[in-house]
Amino acid sequence: SQQGEEDPQALSIQEGENATMNCSYKTSINNLQWYRQNSGRGLVHLILIRSNEREKHSGRLRVTLDTSKKSSSLLITASRAADTASYFCATVYTGGFKTIFGAGTRLFVKA
Amino acid sequence: GAVVSQHPSWVICKSGTSVKIECRSLDFQATTMFWYRQFPKQSLMLMATSNEGSKATYEQGVEKDKFLINHASLTLSTLTVTSAHPEDSSFYICSARPQEGNSPLHFGNGTRLTVT
Repeated sequence: SQQGEEDPQALSIQEGENATMNCSYKTSINNLQWYRQNSGRGLVHLILIRSNEREKHSGRLRVTLDTSKKSSSLLITASRAADTASYFCATVYTGGFKTIFGAGTRLFVKA
Repeated sequence: GAVVSQHPSWVICKSGTSVKIECRSLDFQATTMFWYRQFPKQSLMLMATSNEGSKATYEQGVEKDKFLINHASLTLSTLTVTSAHPEDSSFYICSARPQEGNSPLHFGNGTRLTVT
């Protein structure tokens, strides 16, 4: 399969709570990216973390990368109803140029 | 900046007809564009890599005669679904990289194809 795994598949939380999504991949990577997709729309890039980085922040987003475990996590702090969307991790494998997407996590933030 | 425009946003066609989807990079040149397909509540599956001035590279299991890709200029790639059937109904999304290397992708807003 092209895809890595993501969990959970779906997540429902209250506004103000934190949301954590996890992603695992299969082989060595150049970088790992997180994207957001609102229903029926294209994807929007959120954050990119390189293989030699362990943690990265952008606003309310925090991404970690553990290359030994081939996994990454996306943390959204102080969630808002507007954060409701699907979130995908994506990887570019070492020596490659294609971006391969994980299965995605559907996040629902209740107001 | 780095806008990718995709047209149409939705299309309904009858079985047996062909449908063309356009993907344009509005403010940058893209020697390579990527076409993805997405089924409801599922992830994106890479269909093919569109290469300006040369043949597209198709992923395993994707019929190149079924999904014709043309990348005639540095700002336009087209995907034509030929002899469409109901099982081709899906959400098709194109993307491109404004910068070389493994930089993030910029996506069009997708095309919802329904074949009746």
